[in-house]
Amino acid sequence: EDQVTQSPEALRLQEGESSSLNCSYTVSGLRGLFWYRQDPGKGPEFLFTLYSAGEEKEKERLKATLTKKESFLHITAPKPEDSATYLCAVQGNTNAGKSTFGDGTTLTVKP
Amino acid sequence: GAVVSQHPSRVICKSGTSVKIECRSLDFQATTMFWYRQFPKQSLMLMATSNEGSKATYEQGVEKDKFLINHASLTLSTLTVTSAHPEDSSFYICSARDPSRGFNYGYTFGSGTRLTVV
Repeated sequence: EDQVTQSPEALRLQEGESSSLNCSYTVSGLRGLFWYRQDPGKGPEFLFTLYSAGEEKEKERLKATLTKKESFLHITAPKPEDSATYLCAVQGNTNAGKSTFGDGTTLTVKP
Repeated sequence: GAVVSQHPSRVICKSGTSVKIECRSLDFQATTMFWYRQFPKQSLMLMATSNEGSKATYEQGVEKDKFLINHASLTLSTLTVTSAHPEDSSFYICSARDPSRGFNYGYTFGSGTRLTVV
């Protein structure tokens, strides 16, 4: 059974204070690891897909990295508008397109 | 591209009644759609996989007679919560992937439906 654990559960940062979110996973044959952003009362918004260990992807102040057991979402010099819940999900090669989600990290960036 | 529209965004219904939630892919054809349920401060729990032209596949523990899924066309899937009870109150979200865009674009989610059963 695929499993995803995210930490910390909540993170409060000052504007400009860089940090990282962790996603630990177990999956039988990784097809893809996804990062999503979810604002309150909204559906998740896609950020990144990572496929293999060593891969990195960047988008504005966000950078996602992947190892064989975990992924990190690095946030550089965050702004208040980066406040949201960040979700990590994995999809294995054998589970018919289903994604397993972690519980998310709720990020609050104070001005 | 890859827009998924979900309606309604909020619905309040009386206990014992049924509620239908629609999920449409606006600019792509989705042979498969996924329905999730999310409780406050919890993650997305997959309820079922909706397949165009065939029966939905339900996750273990999800009552198929309570949560009826119909995927009648390549752009529309519906979830009907039958005989709703207060414990069915939750945030329901659908998602799909544009097969022409590949995995690099992930899955697109609807904006969600907040169901409150009173």
